[in-house]
Amino acid sequence: NAGVMQNPRHLVRRRGQEARLRCSPMKGHSHVYWYRQLPEEGLKFMVYLQKENIIDESGMPKERFSAEFPKEGPSILRIQQVVRGDSAAYFCASSPSPGSEDTQYFGPGTRLTVL
Amino acid sequence: AQSVTQLDSQVPVFEEAPVELRCNYSSSVSVYLFWYVQYPNQGLQLLLKYLSGSTLVESINGFEAEFNKSQTSFHLRKPSVHISDTAEYFCAVSARSGGYNKLIFGAGTRLAVHP
Repeated sequence: NAGVMQNPRHLVRRRGQEARLRCSPMKGHSHVYWYRQLPEEGLKFMVYLQKENIIDESGMPKERFSAEFPKEGPSILRIQQVVRGDSAAYFCASSPSPGSEDTQYFGPGTRLTVL
Repeated sequence: AQSVTQLDSQVPVFEEAPVELRCNYSSSVSVYLFWYVQYPNQGLQLLLKYLSGSTLVESINGFEAEFNKSQTSFHLRKPSVHISDTAEYFCAVSARSGGYNKLIFGAGTRLAVHP
């Protein structure tokens, strides 16, 4: 059973460009979480999605950031008009059920660098 | 709301020495507690978690953590560390009544094991 897949692993964008980060959850997992890790900081929750639904996006910046988890295909975190402050590692995690006691399985992350 | 404080950003230690990584949390509701480990350029892996029952939980690679409700702590210990334990360790909590697993992380402790 493959783990959580994220691609690309590294992404370089210039200011003003768009960044698309993809996450394929573990097989059988329909719950996806996105976290952001800024340099020298812990992970910060961004958004929680189930298939075709955004459940909690309280950690997402109000502008430029969006997320989706379609019925088919990976979850996408989209950042429009990137700025230098968006440089960070973005981690996706999945779980088979939504319980707060359940283990989340993390992908290897996408490291975004904005020039 | 919950918050997690990891009191040490870096812990250097010699191989085969004991180590303790400290974690305190603040929450107005009951929480579940987790320790995750992140090896260089990898995603997070669950090390151990406390849900209920015995306050001492153990991992398969010799780490243990003890939940102390009165001190709101969940310190991680290992009696004898190996070079391969060099990594960053994150303490996290999730609210029991949250309905889904929105993890709140500490800033991390970088464990450096020296020969």
